[in-house]
Amino acid sequence: GENVEQHPSTLSVQEGDSAVIKCTYSDSASNYFPWYKQELGKRPQLIIDIRSNVGEKKDQRIAVTLNKTAKHFSLHITETQPEDSAVYFCAASSGMEYGNKLVFGAGTILRVKS
Amino acid sequence: SAVISQKPSRDICQRGTSLTIQCQVDSQVTMMFWYRQQPGQSLTLIATANQGSEATYESGFVIDKFPISRPNLTFSTLTVSNMSPEDSSIYLCSVEDPTGYGYTFGSGTRLTVV
Repeated sequence: GENVEQHPSTLSVQEGDSAVIKCTYSDSASNYFPWYKQELGKRPQLIIDIRSNVGEKKDQRIAVTLNKTAKHFSLHITETQPEDSAVYFCAASSGMEYGNKLVFGAGTILRVKS
Repeated sequence: SAVISQKPSRDICQRGTSLTIQCQVDSQVTMMFWYRQQPGQSLTLIATANQGSEATYESGFVIDKFPISRPNLTFSTLTVSNMSPEDSSIYLCSVEDPTGYGYTFGSGTRLTVV
């Protein structure tokens, strides 16, 4: 089955700097890659996603890139702000054949220092 | 995006008892997913619930311990049976949003077994 690895496990950046979180996946059939932000005591919230027919997607300060050949995808946050501090999870889904289930990475604790 | 109502939000239970968690979605969805998130950890899929058929369980999870019901396309329950302190965790339901806006999560059930 699918296996998703995520790095780093913790990331500290200065306010205004950029943050990059990387994930690799094992199943070449995976075709959907979302990123979730989870604040303490709250549910995971989808912040951006990308499908396998696209190499990059951007939404304001957040962008995701996908390299299908290397089977990795990355989350980029620019101009970080203290409210970006949270746990971020990447995930991969292999589509209908596998019940559309998401397999999650281990998570990255992002701390933005002001 | 789909709205999921999950209850209870938290509970403290005696070991050996069972707890049933409910999720209600405001739109019809084919599959509902149940996850467990242990303290400080990522999300682990317990099972996928289809309406009209038995749930599909992931490795390490069995129906006797986590029976699931899916009586219609908007509702599902997960029961945590014969609980032990190791079952203390957050349990979340999730659906693939019918509007195509990724996967949405319920607010979670924080379970403590004493």
